[in-house]
Amino acid sequence: DVKVTQSSRYLVKRTGEKVFLECVQDMDHENMFWYRQDPGLGLRLIYFSYDVKMKEKGDIPEGYSVSREKKERFSLILESASTNQTSMYLCASSQTGVGTDTQYFGPGTRLTVL
Amino acid sequence: RKEVEQDPGPFNVPEGATVAFNCTYSNSASQSFFWYRQDCRKEPKLLMSVYSSGNEDGRFTAQLNRASQYISLLIRDSKLSDSATYLCVVTHYTGGFKTIFGAGTRLFVKA
Repeated sequence: DVKVTQSSRYLVKRTGEKVFLECVQDMDHENMFWYRQDPGLGLRLIYFSYDVKMKEKGDIPEGYSVSREKKERFSLILESASTNQTSMYLCASSQTGVGTDTQYFGPGTRLTVL
Repeated sequence: RKEVEQDPGPFNVPEGATVAFNCTYSNSASQSFFWYRQDCRKEPKLLMSVYSSGNEDGRFTAQLNRASQYISLLIRDSKLSDSATYLCVVTHYTGGFKTIFGAGTRLFVKA
């Protein structure tokens, strides 16, 4: 079974703090993704990575950065958290290729910025 | 126009009913298609992949119509435990790959 884990289930931070969200997958997947999910807006892609040290902007990268130093680990960084970044953050991983590109999700981190 | 569109619902159906969800996608170069299920306050989980020939898994049947660019999911004999949000997911590989999630369709199955 694919396992994707996220460092925290719930996190409360103050405006202006630097926030690190970490994601680890154990299936040697090339691709890793960070999404946020808000009511009525569905899943929105923040960043993704298709290889170590590679990253691509998603649909809403502003205010976020990422790091992928090892294949199994993909970190999302909020340099200076703001209240509009309060959301559910979901990490996912997948292989590349038609028929094998199912995305597997971690349990999510519910971040509240006060 | 959104790249992947779904009826948001909610669909309220009694136990035992048959319910169908549709999803349309805009990119004709799309190659991978999935239905995911998401329970309240949980992560999305793969329900089934969708193939051109259609596929069935127990009470669930998925169909793909490439000509009309839509995907469907049929649930027969609905159970209370089927209550969830169903997400339509499409991937295309033109100029790099991109996976797009629909906003989801809420289903409530009532006793």
